[in-house]
Formats: sequence, C-alpha cells, structure tokens
Amino acid sequence: AQTVTQSQPEMSVQEAETVTLSCTYDTSESDYYLFWYKQPPSRQMILVIRQEAYKQQNATENRFSVNFQKAAKSFSLKISDSQLGDAAMYFCAYRWDSGTYKYIFGTGTRLKVLA
Amino acid sequence: DSGVTQTPKHLITATGQRVTLRCSPRSGDLSVYWYQQSLDQGLQFLIQYYNGEERAKGNILERFSAQQFPDLHSELNLSSLELGDSALYFCASSPGGTQPQHFGDGTRLSIL
Repeated sequence: AQTVTQSQPEMSVQEAETVTLSCTYDTSESDYYLFWYKQPPSRQMILVIRQEAYKQQNATENRFSVNFQKAAKSFSLKISDSQLGDAAMYFCAYRWDSGTYKYIFGTGTRLKVLA
Repeated sequence: DSGVTQTPKHLITATGQRVTLRCSPRSGDLSVYWYQQSLDQGLQFLIQYYNGEERAKGNILERFSAQQFPDLHSELNLSSLELGDSALYFCASSPGGTQPQHFGDGTRLSIL
C-alpha cells in the first residue's frame, strides 16, 4: 500500500533563512503526482507546489522549490527567504495517476518562523 | 478564494444525531473528494465522486455516506454521531485527470 511519511513533526527557521521539509513515500506505481499543501492557522488548505513523477526537473514556484529523488522516493520542500506568513502546517501528498486519482497525505510538519 | 464552497462553516450537535455537510465544487470541476481532519492530525481521505459516481473509497465509516448530485454538488451525511466524529471536514474538487484538487474552507463539526 502507498504511504507518505513526514518525519519532522515541527521545524523552526529564522526569518529570511532557508528551511527544508522532508517527505518520503512508498509506492510500486511509476506514474503519480506529489504535492505540498500549506495549512495556515486559518485551517485553509492551500496548494503550494506539485511534481509529476515522470518529470526529472524539480518544480519551482517563487520561493518554494522541491528536491524530487524518484529512486529514493523522497520529495522535500525548500522554502527560501522565509517569511512570517510561511508559518503553517505543511502536508506532503501523493496521488495515484490512475482512474481514481486518490490522494494520501502525510501527517504534516509544523513550521515556525522566528522574527 | 478556491471557488469550492462548503456549508455550514460550523456545526454543533449532540451524540446520536445526524448531520449533512454540503459542498459545491468549482465551476467545471467534476470530481469531489471528502476528507476528515481530527485535531492536530493529517487529512484522512473518506470518499471521492466523479461526475455523480463513486470513484474511490477510503476509511469511511458505515455511519457516514455521501453522494454527488446531477448539478455536481455533493453532500456528506454523518449519522449516529459520536464524540470522536468531532473534526474539520474538507471537501476538495478538481476537473479530473491530472489537475490538482482545490479545497474548500471546511466545516468544523463539534459533537457535545
């Protein structure tokens, strides 16, 4: 069965510094998508970035980038120039690229940004 | 604003009762997902519908049921409520295919 593991329950970063959040997953599928979602204190779920497994190039969205290592089944999120507004829970998610397009979420990493 | 609308935002009820949560997907989205998020937990996938048909089922209790109507809105019905059902219930929608899902703001259910 597919699983998603976020081994860091909580991380802290100084404002303007860089932080990396880890995510590993387990699957026997070859085609899938990976996502990072942000959940601020408002509890909204906001899509941060996504990566298609068939693409070797790492996805980038402004200050957010990923390090996707398919063979190692690792999908980490790097946040550069951290801002106070980045403080949130971050969830890694895996999605089958099959008929159901079902998602599995990790347990989340709480990111604190220190002024 | 994600375009996904969930009502009500908050719901307080008692054990043993039944409630209905409603979700209107983004315009054009055919797929609707339901998730449960208990306090300080991750999201548990409950069920997915695509264009009115059930597509995938997760860890959804038998006391819970859902449906997607011809106008594509969806309802999640929770019955014989227990204290442990207190959670934030999210609906998400997507066009289907390779497009990502977008979440509503959730319905916070409190069981007293």
